[in-house]
Amino acid sequence: DGGITQSPKYLFRKEGQNVTLSCEQNLNHDAMYWYRQDPGQGLRLIYYSQIVNDFQKGDIAEGYSVSREKKESFPLTVTSAQKNPTAFYLCASSLQPRADQPQHFGDGTRLSIL
Amino acid sequence: AQSVTQLDSHVSVSEGTPVLLRCNYSSSYSPSLFWYVQHPNKGLQLLLKYTSAATLVKGINGFEAEFKKSETSFHLTKPSAHMSDAAEYFCVVSDLSSNTGKLIFGQGTTLQVKP
Repeated sequence: DGGITQSPKYLFRKEGQNVTLSCEQNLNHDAMYWYRQDPGQGLRLIYYSQIVNDFQKGDIAEGYSVSREKKESFPLTVTSAQKNPTAFYLCASSLQPRADQPQHFGDGTRLSIL
Repeated sequence: AQSVTQLDSHVSVSEGTPVLLRCNYSSSYSPSLFWYVQHPNKGLQLLLKYTSAATLVKGINGFEAEFKKSETSFHLTKPSAHMSDAAEYFCVVSDLSSNTGKLIFGQGTTLQVKP
């Protein structure tokens, strides 16, 4: 089955620590996205990538970093500079970075502070 | 700039009764609109999409939505609610100004279905 796999499902971060969230897709999609979801709120875009080896900041990129070295993979690092990282993180992909293309989502990673 | 407003943060219906989740949008362009559903601790699943074809869009699980340009609305409906429909629903508009596939999400509507 094609889809998006996010791991781990739950993650805990200590003060001053960087953590990396994994996102892998086997849909052969060009575009990939990272969102943050806080309770009772919609999704906010952190970073997106339209093609391999290229990515752009979204609306709330501060304290986060990404890479896109392979088409299938788009890992997100939550750095120690992100002072409020507790949230539900969702990765998505679309066939092309076009307005009429729906995005397909993984099942998310829940990040908490120890 | 595009924006989307979901008019109800919480909707409660009885099983077997109709569902109406309201969404208004703002867009300077002809918009692409989507409805997604999210069950607890899960990702979002696409219910349906509107991309300037028929104004009445049919989706999965018996849901449908009608695009009304004059009212700038895209309300989601279902004739008869099922217990499994209880979830969070998001109305979404594409950010056509950037041509990057970026989506703009509403705040979400929690649908409660009572037995």
